[in-house]
This record gives sequence, structure tokens and C-alpha cells, in this order.
Amino acid sequence: DTGVSQDPRHKITKRGQNVTFRCDPISEHNRLYWYRQTLGQGPEFLTYFQNEAQLEKSRLLSDRFSAERPKGSFSTLEIQRTEQGDSAMYLCASSSKDGRQPQHFGDGTRLSIL
Amino acid sequence: SQKIEQNSEALNIQEGKTATLTCNYTNYSPAYLQWYRQDPGRGPVFLLLIRENEKEKRKERLKVTFDTTLKQSLFHITASQPADSATYLCALDEGNTGFQKLVFGTGTRLLVSP
Repeated sequence: DTGVSQDPRHKITKRGQNVTFRCDPISEHNRLYWYRQTLGQGPEFLTYFQNEAQLEKSRLLSDRFSAERPKGSFSTLEIQRTEQGDSAMYLCASSSKDGRQPQHFGDGTRLSIL
Repeated sequence: SQKIEQNSEALNIQEGKTATLTCNYTNYSPAYLQWYRQDPGRGPVFLLLIRENEKEKRKERLKVTFDTTLKQSLFHITASQPADSATYLCALDEGNTGFQKLVFGTGTRLLVSP
């Protein structure tokens, strides 16, 4: 399978714990995006990487959220001191350098905060 | 304020009929618009992209129109099948960011009955 891969698919944790998600994009894609999706809503943009550089962060991304893409390949999204409101599906997408090419999404990590 | 509106009510149609889904937007000037399909528990899957200078785009049983005057896109599925049942999301590029910063509608759920 050469699509976008996300791990884990599901994460259940207690409030206050830290969690980390991983995304492996399509190998030749240099652009990587993180989104958050809650029930009944469309995905909301969180942050964007071009290669290893994080070029934009949404206001939705509080100080408790941090994302990295250290070698310009896989990316991690960490949430510290999780809160109930962090419960959502976290989606990763990648695209090629051509800005008009569509984004390809993984199947997400569903986070549930107890 | 900027808004993307899709019919939040589910669309129920019979197999073989044409499904038409609507996406309206305000206070955006997108260079292009995309449609995605999303199944429960899965990430969005890209279907079609239409540029501002294209009135209509087709792919197999799918057709998309884009009217920048009305600020509206219509998504049609002809000869619909039960397998077409899913949530359909429209997304546009927020623009002026130097990268593809997608803003999604809330999606319309399509149910095709045999």
C-alpha cells in the first residue's frame, strides 16, 4: 500500500496525559498537512509542512500541540496535557510540490479522552 | 464572515437516479474547488478538482460544475448505486497562502436505496 499511513488508528487516554500520533505520507510527496475533524464537521486545517519546515500553524493549534517532520518524511503530532475537547479524528494528508495537485488523506487517528 | 455551506440534511435517493449535491460559499475567491468522498471511520478520498476557469468537469458517472458568479458548485452522480452512499465534502483553497490551505464544508450524507 503506497497511500498515507497513520498510526495508531485509535487512541484512548485519560485527561491530562500526553499523546503522540505518527503520519507516513506518500513517499514522493514533499507537502504534509494535519487536520482535525469532529463529528458532523468537515476537516479543519491545523498545520502544514513543506519538507521539514513547518510553514503555517492554525490558531486552532494551541501551545499544547506540537508537530514535527524531522527529516522531511514522516511527521508526528503531539498533544500535551490532553483535555476533553481534544477528542476528535486527527487526519494527515500529503501532496506533491505542484500546488494544484489534490491532497491524499490517511484514515486518521481517532482520539478519545476519558 | 467566510462560510462554506453544504446541505446538512441527508439526501435519500433511489438507485439509478441522479444525485445532486450543492456547495455554496461566501467571502472566498477560490482558484479551484475540490470534492471528496468520506466513508465512516475513514479519511476523505479525492474525487474531482475544478478550476475557476472551468465550468464543468466530468469523471465517469461524476460531474462537477463551478459558478464563480453564483459562488456555487454542484456535484452530480448519475446512475447512482448503493455503493455511492457516503458523505461528500467540498473543499476550497483559502488562497493567498502560497500553499493549498483547504477549507472544508460540513459535508452532505448521501443514501442510495436499492
